[in-house]
Amino acid sequence: NAGVTQTPKFQVLKTGQSMTLQCAQDMNHNSMYWYRQDPGMGLRLIYYSASEGTTDKGEVPNGYNVSRLNKREFSLRLESAAPSQTSVYFCASRRPGTYSNQPQHFGDGTRLSIL
Amino acid sequence: QKEVEQNSGPLSVPEGAIASLNCTYSDRGSQSFFWYRQYSGKSPELIMSIYSNGDKEDGRFTAQLNKASQYVSLLIRDSQPSDSATYLCAVTGSGNTGKLIFGQGTTLQVKP
Repeated sequence: NAGVTQTPKFQVLKTGQSMTLQCAQDMNHNSMYWYRQDPGMGLRLIYYSASEGTTDKGEVPNGYNVSRLNKREFSLRLESAAPSQTSVYFCASRRPGTYSNQPQHFGDGTRLSIL
Repeated sequence: QKEVEQNSGPLSVPEGAIASLNCTYSDRGSQSFFWYRQYSGKSPELIMSIYSNGDKEDGRFTAQLNKASQYVSLLIRDSQPSDSATYLCAVTGSGNTGKLIFGQGTTLQVKP
């Protein structure tokens, strides 16, 4: 019963390097989300995919790109990493529901440090 | 900018007491409200959801919603040291994208 799986769990990058964070869910959920969480702050939405084939910007999309590869997988790419992108990244998924009443379920997170 | 506000704390309560966590939100169109618990170094875990005005109880947890005043609260009865965590309030915006807006979280410390 894996739920939402994120890889890798930890990563250290140098400024300017690129990297893709992977997320996969096995709950047959339609919607998937990428967040970042910085110390003392709540989660901020980077990008989301309401359904397979669609992606939209969230609150803090600059410096990131996403791909909804299929219904299960939603990846987040940093093209040229910057120290300001040091954070914990969470992927979440949600099944469809009336009036947004379905909760989101989170993966374990990826802890990313950029030097 | 639609916002969700929480007191960051820490909120310190003795074991066995009632812990009261509060959250206010700015978007009157919000329809769904969630409380997540996050232990240090872990991912958020859903503990309560509420959609209608009033109270919703689940074990030691009670969520309260007042849409007219735009606030949501979480009561934890008989607090235990294992309840020590950060509690995140999350609110959906208008529409059905399922996007959540999170507060910054309230850190709860339950002292034995």
